[in-house]
Amino acid sequence: DTGVSQDPRHKITKRGQNVTFRCDPISEHNRLYWYRQTLGQGPEFLTYFQNEAQLEKSRLLSDRFSAERPKGSFSTLEIQRTEQGDSAMYLCASSLSPRDGYTFGSGTRLTVV
Amino acid sequence: QQPVQSPQAVILREGEDAVINCSSSKALYSVHWYRQKHGEAPVFLMILLKGGEQMRHEKISASFNEKKQQSSLYLTASQLSYSGTYFCGTEKNSGGGADGLTFGKGTHLIIQP
Repeated sequence: DTGVSQDPRHKITKRGQNVTFRCDPISEHNRLYWYRQTLGQGPEFLTYFQNEAQLEKSRLLSDRFSAERPKGSFSTLEIQRTEQGDSAMYLCASSLSPRDGYTFGSGTRLTVV
Repeated sequence: QQPVQSPQAVILREGEDAVINCSSSKALYSVHWYRQKHGEAPVFLMILLKGGEQMRHEKISASFNEKKQQSSLYLTASQLSYSGTYFCGTEKNSGGGADGLTFGKGTHLIIQP
């Protein structure tokens, strides 16, 4: 298994544009999380999927943020009408059970100019 | 509520020991510990569960005091590879992971030869 993959690694976009990030978790992991990390801070929880069901989305930062996991495998995180404050590292993580630690992907670094 | 980590930074000589603390104002179900090197994804070290035992992985161990809502990470005979930023992530209830983890701001550990 190659671990958790995220694509792209880096994204530079103009303010107001929409962006979409992809995460491919470890294949047998049914739990998938999205986090955001800014410089000097720990990761900040955004949303959680168990299989294809999005069980927690109240922590998404605004209604410009949305996430999907249509077939319970890969997931996408979309940010509409990007703002400079959205610049951050977006991390995806997966796990097998609540008693297991997370495996994080390498992240997508978003820069909004 | 974000857990508070202390110290914020530690500089050690190779072979010395270190303790990193994580405190929460709320009752906790579990505490995760992760290490993140610059530009890389956080890597899972260990998880401590309410009612569980102290964990150990090689020369790194951790404890969880449920009554005080505190966890400590112990690094014994530190190696150069231990350098990085250590994060604790806390889970308030046994909701099956749906609430995600709340991470502290991290402790920067520098090991010098």
